[in-house]
Amino acid sequence: GAVVSQHPSWVICKSGTSVKIECRSLDFQATTMFWYRQFPKQSLMLMATSNEGSKATYEQGVEKDKFLINHASLTLSTLTVTSAHPEDSSFYICSARDLAGGDGANVLTFGAGSRLTVL
Amino acid sequence: GQNIDQPTEMTATEGAIVQINCTYQTSGFNGLFWYQQHAGEAPTFLSYNVLDGLEEKGRFSSFLSRSKGYSYLLLKELQMKDSASYLCAVRDGDYKLSFGAGTTVTVRA
Repeated sequence: GAVVSQHPSWVICKSGTSVKIECRSLDFQATTMFWYRQFPKQSLMLMATSNEGSKATYEQGVEKDKFLINHASLTLSTLTVTSAHPEDSSFYICSARDLAGGDGANVLTFGAGSRLTVL
Repeated sequence: GQNIDQPTEMTATEGAIVQINCTYQTSGFNGLFWYQQHAGEAPTFLSYNVLDGLEEKGRFSSFLSRSKGYSYLLLKELQMKDSASYLCAVRDGDYKLSFGAGTTVTVRA
C-alpha cells in the first residue's frame, strides 16, 4: 500500500529558529500533499495544500510567510516553520494521495507526524 | 465551511459493540471517511463512504445518509487495542479533508 514518510519525528528548537519538516511519498507520486496541525486533544486542522511545481494554497488564518511550503518534486514536500515560537509547538502531519492507486486514489495516506516543541 | 460534530468520549466493555455518530454540514461533499488515531500517532484509514448505505470491513462498519448529513462508525467485538480516538472526516471536491474533533473510545475489561 501507499506509504508516506515524515521526518523528523521529534524536534526541539529554541525560540526564533527555523525548523524544516519533510514529507515523502515512498512508493507513489503525489502531485498534491496536505499539511495538518494538531494541538493536544484537538482534531487535525488543515493548514495548506502543497502543489508540485506551484505555490501552496493556505487555509484562512494560516500565515504563509511563517509556514513555508515547498513541493519541489512528485515525492517530496517540505514545511518550514520560520522564527518558531512556543505557540507553534504542535503535532504536524502531512498526507498524500496516490493518484495511480485503486482504493488509494480515494484515500489519503498520512505520515507518522512530527512533534515540534519550541522552547 | 465545514461543521462536523461527533461525541467527545465513549466507554464500552471488551467484546461489546459501540456506535459513534457523526453529523455534518458542509459546503461541498465528496465522501466521508473514518480514521483511527492512537495518542501521538498519525491517523490510519478505517472506512470510506460516498454513497448512502452501509460499508462493512471486518469488525468495523460505516453508514452514510447524505440527505441527513449523518454517518456512524460501528465497532463490533471490541478489543482493548480499539481504545483510540476515532475521527470523522468529510472530503470536498478538491480532495481536502475536514475533520471532526474526534471521539475518544475507552475499552474496559
